[in-house]
Amino acid sequence: DGGITQSPKYLFRKEGQNVTLSCEQNLNHDAMYWYRQDPGQGLRLIYYSQIVNDFQKGDIAEGYSVSREKKESFPLTVTSAQKNPTAFYLCASSITVLGEQYFGPGTRLTVT
Amino acid sequence: AQKITQTQPGMFVQEKEAVTLDCTYDTSDPSYGLFWYKQPSSGEMIFLIYQGSYDQQNATEGRYSLNFQKARKSANLVISASQLGDSAMYFCAMREGANYGQNFVFGPGTRLSVLP
Repeated sequence: DGGITQSPKYLFRKEGQNVTLSCEQNLNHDAMYWYRQDPGQGLRLIYYSQIVNDFQKGDIAEGYSVSREKKESFPLTVTSAQKNPTAFYLCASSITVLGEQYFGPGTRLTVT
Repeated sequence: AQKITQTQPGMFVQEKEAVTLDCTYDTSDPSYGLFWYKQPSSGEMIFLIYQGSYDQQNATEGRYSLNFQKARKSANLVISASQLGDSAMYFCAMREGANYGQNFVFGPGTRLSVLP
């Protein structure tokens, strides 16, 4: 089955620790995205990547980092510099940046 | 300024009736795309329907149709014959221009509740 997987579904971390969220797709899509969603809010773009070895900052990139070494994978690291990391994180991909985005199931991160 | 406005934070509809979810957008780019997504309580975002700015006809996908009024900059989602499983958050989104993945913005969403 083609799709996007994110793991884990729930993640708990202590303040001050870096944490990496996984996102893998087998749709052969070129573009991948990371969004953050806070309770009762819409989605905000953190980073996106149009092709392998390329990525661009979105609206709220501070405190986050990404890599795109393989077409299928776009991991997101939430660093200790991110002031309010507790949120729901969604990864998406699209054939190109022009197409509709397909989303993974999300990772709910709680930092205490 | 808000690029996507969804003025209905919450909507109720009786099962089997039709419902319209409002979306207005703001862009000066002649090339753009409009999308609707559904987010059930599980959290995943499900793509529903797409309308391109140059498309002459309103998009339809099964029970979903998009009422595209370009001059009014509105792209309302119409769900016909509502089902209990349609209860979810619905987000309108817009992609501006043809070059940048960054120009993909979401509205604040509308929570739809379908009543039995």
